[in-house]
Amino acid sequence: SQKIEQNSEALNIQEGKTATLTCNYTNYSPAYLQWYRQDPGRGPVFLLLIRENEKEKRKERLKVTFDTTLKQSLFHITASQPADSATYLCALQRDDKIIFGKGTRLHILP
Amino acid sequence: DAGVIQSPRHEVTEMGQEVTLRCKPISGHNSLFWYRQTMMRGLELLIYFNNNVPIDDSGMPEDRFSAKMPNASFSTLKIQPSEPRDSAVYFCASSSRTSGSDEQFFGPGTRLTVL
Repeated sequence: SQKIEQNSEALNIQEGKTATLTCNYTNYSPAYLQWYRQDPGRGPVFLLLIRENEKEKRKERLKVTFDTTLKQSLFHITASQPADSATYLCALQRDDKIIFGKGTRLHILP
Repeated sequence: DAGVIQSPRHEVTEMGQEVTLRCKPISGHNSLFWYRQTMMRGLELLIYFNNNVPIDDSGMPEDRFSAKMPNASFSTLKIQPSEPRDSAVYFCASSSRTSGSDEQFFGPGTRLTVL
């Protein structure tokens, strides 16, 4: 069955460093991969989308890579700030099907 | 635009009661999604509509769950009868489908507790 794995443990990163989150998947060939941010008590908020034929996408301090051979996406936040603390979800999509990972909690320590 | 609107924000009910969750998507969006989120299972897609028509309801857990979208600006998710294992946060999301990729806009969610 289709499976998405994200770091189940919380990730603690010192302010100013780069935070790297991982999304691995099996038994799936997504056309798109999306990253969302979710704060406590709120719905997820879209951050970035990367297509299967793209290797890398950037937006301000965010960078996403997509390796369809490794079946992996990496999500980087450079120059991290305490305000970046949240849960980050990856989502895979092909046609009308979209599935979400359980998310990784990120704590940026001041 | 006010974004996706969900009501109620919190619902506490007793086992066996009917629960109706409501959603108003962003104006102009033609796709609507219902999700359920729990610690154990994460965010699960229950059903989605395109142009008010249900496209895929394979995520609906069982016949106790039903969803409708009578028009482009309103959808309901109904649970009848409710059970304690239905306790979760239910999200509604909408998007404007363009060339197959979805940026989904989520509502604030309804936290459902079934006693």
